[in-house]
This record gives sequence, C-alpha cells and structure tokens, in this order.
Amino acid sequence: DIQMTQSPSSMSASLGDRVTITCRASQDIGNYLSWFQQKPGKSPRRMIYGATNLAAGVPSRFSGSRSGSDYSLTISSLESEDMAIYYCLQSIQYPFTFGSGTKLEIK
Amino acid sequence: EVQLVESGGGLVQPGRSLKLSCAASGFTFSNYYMAWVRQAPKKGLEWVATISTSGSRTYYPDSVKGRFTISRDNAKSSLYLQMNSLKSEDTATYYCASTIAAITPFAYWGQGTLVTVSS
Repeated sequence: DIQMTQSPSSMSASLGDRVTITCRASQDIGNYLSWFQQKPGKSPRRMIYGATNLAAGVPSRFSGSRSGSDYSLTISSLESEDMAIYYCLQSIQYPFTFGSGTKLEIK
Repeated sequence: EVQLVESGGGLVQPGRSLKLSCAASGFTFSNYYMAWVRQAPKKGLEWVATISTSGSRTYYPDSVKGRFTISRDNAKSSLYLQMNSLKSEDTATYYCASTIAAITPFAYWGQGTLVTVSS
C-alpha cells in the first residue's frame, strides 16, 4: 500500500500569513494527489486535484505544487475561514490512502 | 445542484449487519464512479469502497474486504453499502462521494451517516 506522510500534524498561524502543508508519498503517484479541507462538523471539501488544479469555487489563495514525491498545499494569505483540518489523498492505486491530516489554527 | 444524501446509519451490535444508502441527484449518476469514505470519531479519513460506473468492478481495503459490499442502482441513482460482521472499529461517520476520474476523486460528498457498533 502507498503511505502518505503528512506534516505538520498541527500548526498555528496568523491572519495574512503564508501557510504550507506537505505530503510525501512512499511510491510514485505522479499527479494523482488531491487535497481536502474539513471544517468542524462538516463533510470534507475537495480543494485541489491532480496535484495542482484548483477545484471549482475554491479561492485563488489556495494552490498545490509538486516536487518529486513531495506535494504541498499553500495558502498565500491566511484568512479566518481557513481554520480547518486538511488531508491529502493519493488515488493512483487501490487502496486509496489519505494523509493523517493537518489541523490549522489561527493565532 | 449536486446532492448526495446518506441514510441507514444507527446503533448496531457487534457481529450484526447494516445497510447504508446514498441517494444522488443533480448529476448523471451512471457516469460516475462512486465511493464510501468513513471517519471514526475524532480520527482521520479512511477510504472504504469504490464501485465502477456499471457496477462490474469493486474495490476495498483489507480492513473491510469480505465483510462489506458496495453496490449501485443506476436506475434509482442510488449507492449502497452492505456491512456484515460489524466490529467496534467500524464505528464511524460514513460518507458517500462521487468520482469522474481517478485523478479527480471525490469531487462531491454527502453529509454523512453515523454508524455506532456497540453492545
């Protein structure tokens, strides 16, 4: 199975900060990497697919990038509504596997 | 507007069975792979099952293989998850989600239905 190692597990940042969350894949997954946002008591929402593609309706301050087997989700200027848990997902091979999540809090 | 509405959750004893349903609307259901994803209380997301557009192919992780069965009825735009031999570790909120292609998975999610396995 492909392991997705996500870091950090939690972080705190100030409004307006640039924030980056990373996932590392244990095997080659190409661009089959998605990012999801989950707010308390809500269903997950897809933010990024294909490693770099912004999902419909997602603010442009969110972006995805890839460097080798490392994948990053970046928020260019943090807003209060971005407080949530973020998960990565690989979908190149079954079983699909999620990262363990990053809890993003606002200072 | 795309809608996925899960139902069928509840309290069930260990070893018993439960069947979840997901009613889809607002998109051409038969064109999409469909999946179930679960989340144990205060835990992360876990993929549980995927079914192809026609229902001819199904996929499961080892944690549920042989106990869970995913199925669909394209005429009714409905997805199902039959869960047998339930264990306490199956306690979770179960979400249905749609996928048009593997590189763009889980574009839409339902609100989830809670399954509690306890005596």
